[in-house]
Amino acid sequence: ETGVTQTPRHLVMGMTNKKSLKCEQHLGHNAMYWYKQSAKKPLELMFVYSLEERVENNSVPSRFSPECPNSSHLFLHLHTLQPEDSALYLCASSPGTGYGYTFGSGTRLTVV
Amino acid sequence: KQEVTQIPAALSVPEGENLVLNCSFTDSAIYNLQWFRQDPGKGLTSLLLIQSSQREQTSGRLNASLDKSSGRSTLYIAASQPGDSATYLCAVTNSGYALNFGKGTSLLVTP
Repeated sequence: ETGVTQTPRHLVMGMTNKKSLKCEQHLGHNAMYWYKQSAKKPLELMFVYSLEERVENNSVPSRFSPECPNSSHLFLHLHTLQPEDSALYLCASSPGTGYGYTFGSGTRLTVV
Repeated sequence: KQEVTQIPAALSVPEGENLVLNCSFTDSAIYNLQWFRQDPGKGLTSLLLIQSSQREQTSGRLNASLDKSSGRSTLYIAASQPGDSATYLCAVTNSGYALNFGKGTSLLVTP
């Protein structure tokens, strides 16, 4: 384990379902991130939280809703997704700006 | 907007060869550059982190260099092994929190 744990590892959901992705870090980092990785595209930043406050929202559709209840936990709530939202969703953490990132193993999401 | 390019997109080499992966970026005002490894369907594993004031970092058979003024970094892998087969990603941080990634180099090392 890398110190950043993501659950579930795999998720299949229908377009009308509501589900949540969970991320937990045990590194004492202050910043947490959600990234999306689609085939043939670079990783895309979705959200950034620093000390539990959202500091970046990279024009992500409202069907993705992040939540950061404390500096160790980050959630991504999903509802009414589209098939094109199928991707690998990666969580990461860092001590702050200008430091290296640590990534989790990701959640492979399939929307049917 | 920072653009990160990795060349080549794919590379196949026989075991034992030394190889170089290239990364270039358009905005040289970076805080740091990080190389990652990604196995199929898995998350990213950090290999090396180079701060903007540094020229290179080494870890085992890996050596990464940074030429900030020209917007380039290289990842050198010595004596490649089949276990090195993976996708290698380069990412840079400018002001703010975001990592800007290239599309990666897919490496296959054949026995």
